[in-house]
Amino acid sequence: GAGVSQSPRYKVAKRGQDVALRCDPISGHVSLFWYQQALGQGPEFLTYFQNEAQLDKSGLPSDRFFAERPEGSVSTLKIQRTQQEDSAVYLCASSPGYVRSNEQFFGPGTRLTVL
Amino acid sequence: KQEVTQIPAALSVPEGENLVLNCSFTDSAIYNLQWFRQDPGKGLTSLLLIQSSQREQTSGRLNASLDKSSGRSTLYIAASQPGDSATYLCPFPLAGGTSYGKLTFGQGTILTVHP
Repeated sequence: GAGVSQSPRYKVAKRGQDVALRCDPISGHVSLFWYQQALGQGPEFLTYFQNEAQLDKSGLPSDRFFAERPEGSVSTLKIQRTQQEDSAVYLCASSPGYVRSNEQFFGPGTRLTVL
Repeated sequence: KQEVTQIPAALSVPEGENLVLNCSFTDSAIYNLQWFRQDPGKGLTSLLLIQSSQREQTSGRLNASLDKSSGRSTLYIAASQPGDSATYLCPFPLAGGTSYGKLTFGQGTILTVHP
């Protein structure tokens, strides 16, 4: 079975451009998380979906960041008017249920570089 | 705010040594614990998941233990190999009002095993 996939793997954007990052979770997984990982740091939580509902977006750094999961499967993280400080690896994770005991499975990440 | 401390921050050893990586949390109200490894430029790979009712978990040359009373976890790697070189992470699943297990990461332990 396929794991979590993300696309593109690498994205270079000019400052001010909009970008869209895609996450394909493991089929049937209820929970989906987005994390941001700056160079040399551990990942930091951005937002959480339970099926199509976005239950927690407390980690989104500004209103330029927007995430959706309209059909409860694929998710897209959109960043508007990118800034240099948005440069990071964006990781997506999914888990089968919606409780703390569930193991999380991570994708390979999208490395975003804003020039 | 929950913080995760991983000791040592970096470790360089010759092949064949037995290793101990440590993880501690400011909040001992741990529910479960998942250890990950991250290879350069890659996503996170789940190594072991210690459920709330368990004290330890083993997989091959890896053994992870969890002491909830002290808020500490230890990962033992037996007979280390160059392929074990990676960053090791032990995130804390945020408790409190959330039940879905979003993770708080420290900076990890960077392990280098040389031949």
